[in-house]
Amino acid sequence: DAGVTQSPTHLIKTRGQHVTLRCSPISGHKSVSWYQQVLGQGPQFIFQYYEKEERGRGNFPDRFSARQFPNYSSELNVNALLLGDSALYLCASSLADRGPSPLHFGNGTRLTVT
Amino acid sequence: AQKVTQAQTEISVVEKEDVTLDCVYETRDTTYYLFWYKQPPSGELVFLIRRNSFDEQNEISGRYSWNFQKSTSSFNFTITASQVVDSAVYFCALSEGNNNDMRFGAGTRLTVKP
Repeated sequence: DAGVTQSPTHLIKTRGQHVTLRCSPISGHKSVSWYQQVLGQGPQFIFQYYEKEERGRGNFPDRFSARQFPNYSSELNVNALLLGDSALYLCASSLADRGPSPLHFGNGTRLTVT
Repeated sequence: AQKVTQAQTEISVVEKEDVTLDCVYETRDTTYYLFWYKQPPSGELVFLIRRNSFDEQNEISGRYSWNFQKSTSSFNFTITASQVVDSAVYFCALSEGNNNDMRFGAGTRLTVKP
C-alpha cells in the first residue's frame, strides 16, 4: 500500500510569493494534518482536517490556510511568504481525528524562501 | 498546556553500545497518548510506538524498549546493541485525549559510529 505522498519534494520561492503544497493520505485515512519543521526543531502543528472539516489549528498566522478534498487529499497554502517560512512541511494522515491513532507522515516538502 | 522535553540534543555512541533517550512530558489531562518517532536523513517520520496514559507496562520490541513512568512523567526509549542504521533524530510526542494536535519534543540526534 502506498504511504502518504507529498508534492513537490522541494520548492524555492521568493519573499511575498504564494505557495501550494499537496498531500495524498494513506488509502482509508480520513484525517490529514500539516506540520512545519524548522531545521533543528521538532514538528509544529499547523492544521488538522477530518472528513473535509477543519478540526484543529495551531498558532500560525492567517497567511496559512488549508483544505481537504472529497477524496481526502489536502492542500496547504501559504501567502505572502516570509524568509521565516523556510522549513520542511510534513503531511500526516491517520484513521481517527484525535487521540490514540498514530500519525503516518510523508517525506515532506522542503520550502526555501529567498 | 502540553509540553514535551527531550533534554539530550545529541548523543554519540559506538556500535553495540546501549543508549537511552530521555523524554519528559507535561499535561493536565488524565487521558493522553505518548509516541516515539524516528526521522532518518530522508526526512520521513517513522512511527515506532504509542502508549496511552492508562497503560504503564513497559514494552520491548527487538532491540528497542520503552520505559513509561507516570510518577516521573517520563517515557524513555532504550536501544540495545546499537547499530549504525539506528543513526537518526528521535522525537518523543504527546497527544492529549481531547486535542487534535500532537506536541513534539525538540528531538535527540543519535549517531552510532562503526
